[in-house]
Amino acid sequence: EDQVTQSPEALRLQEGESSSLNCSYTVSGLRGLFWYRQDPGKGPEFLFTLYSAGEEKEKERLKATLTKKESFLHITAPKPEDSATYLCAVQLGGGADGLTFGKGTHLIIQP
Amino acid sequence: ETGVTQSPTHLIKTRGQQVTLRCSSQSGHNTVSWYQQALGQGPQFIFQYYREEENGRGNFPPRFSGLQFPNYSSELNVNALELDDSALYLCASSPGLQETQYFGPGTRLLVL
Repeated sequence: EDQVTQSPEALRLQEGESSSLNCSYTVSGLRGLFWYRQDPGKGPEFLFTLYSAGEEKEKERLKATLTKKESFLHITAPKPEDSATYLCAVQLGGGADGLTFGKGTHLIIQP
Repeated sequence: ETGVTQSPTHLIKTRGQQVTLRCSSQSGHNTVSWYQQALGQGPQFIFQYYREEENGRGNFPPRFSGLQFPNYSSELNVNALELDDSALYLCASSPGLQETQYFGPGTRLLVL
């Protein structure tokens, strides 16, 4: 069964304290891996798509990387406004296009 | 450019009733996917519509059904509501198959 596991479940950091969130996956035929940010009570906001091992993408204080079995979301010098739940999802090649999501990492940045 | 919109924002129903949720896709997008997100969980795929045809379905019973219209907007219908159907229902649109999906704000459904 295809699975996506995110760790840690929750993370509390001080403002400016860099860290990484992990997303490991056990799927066959990965087409793409997606990172989303979700604020409480709102829909997920798209951040990055990664397609192949070794690929990296950056946006402001966030950088996403991909290996054959996992992805990391690195957050550098975070600010309180970076507090949110970060969701990882995978999409398989061929067949239905539905995304398979992990449970997310709830990130809190304290000023 | 208008993003994905959903209506209503909140809804309260009783067990056994039926509900219809609506989604307008982002301009230029022909694919709509629906997800159910329980509290503290990641979204779960319900089904996807591409050019008015169902293009795949997750592990949800047949009482979850949908439609996509010629303007690519979509409806999610749930019959015989159960307490466990209480969740945030998310719609996502994409410019085509196997493309990045962009989510709407969701509809919060409470079943009593």
